[in-house]
Amino acid sequence: NAGVTQTPKFRILKIGQSMTLQCTQDMNHNYMYWYRQDPGMGLKLIYYSVGAGITDKGEVPNGYNVSRSTTEDFPLRLELAAPSQTSVYFCASTSSGLNTGELFFGEGSRLTVL
Amino acid sequence: AQSVTQLGSHVSVSEGALVLLRCNYSSSVPPYLFWYVQYPNQGLQLLLKYTSAATLVKGINGFEAEFKKSETSFHLTKPSAHMSDAAEYFCAVSGSGGYNKLIFGAGTRLAVHP
Repeated sequence: NAGVTQTPKFRILKIGQSMTLQCTQDMNHNYMYWYRQDPGMGLKLIYYSVGAGITDKGEVPNGYNVSRSTTEDFPLRLELAAPSQTSVYFCASTSSGLNTGELFFGEGSRLTVL
Repeated sequence: AQSVTQLGSHVSVSEGALVLLRCNYSSSVPPYLFWYVQYPNQGLQLLLKYTSAATLVKGINGFEAEFKKSETSFHLTKPSAHMSDAAEYFCAVSGSGGYNKLIFGAGTRLAVHP
């Protein structure tokens, strides 16, 4: 059982470049999330989705876009990368919209913008 | 608005000693509270959760936490630390609007020395 899979694990971008972080889950979860983790800051919610075709902003959405065309996939798009987007990005999913807190996380994608 | 404060970004204990990681929360509604653990180069895993049932919550690997409404606290404890407990620990509270949008604390890195 793969769970939540993120690719790539590492990436270096130049300022102004664009890229997509991929996230796929095989648990048939409706709810999916993108968080970024910065040292000493914990995790901040970027975007989330409650089902295919439905997405919404989290705490720190600026500079990012998402789409959810299927239940399994929730890619995060970075347009015009900036040094402030250097971070570790985590995708997560869960089956319930209730506040059970039982999120399943991927292993993370470490992005550096130079 | 909900928020979480973790006191102490780094905690160091001896193997076999008591582990105490502190978490205080702020919430305008009855909170759901969670502790997650992150091992190096991995995603987060749910350790335990409080969802308005018993105030003393037991989790995996011998950890437990007590919800104290009067102190707005949800401290994590383990009677006897093991080397394998070395990790980063995050306290989280359910955000407003449901959908498992968690608000994370900044994290506490636990070191266990022989």
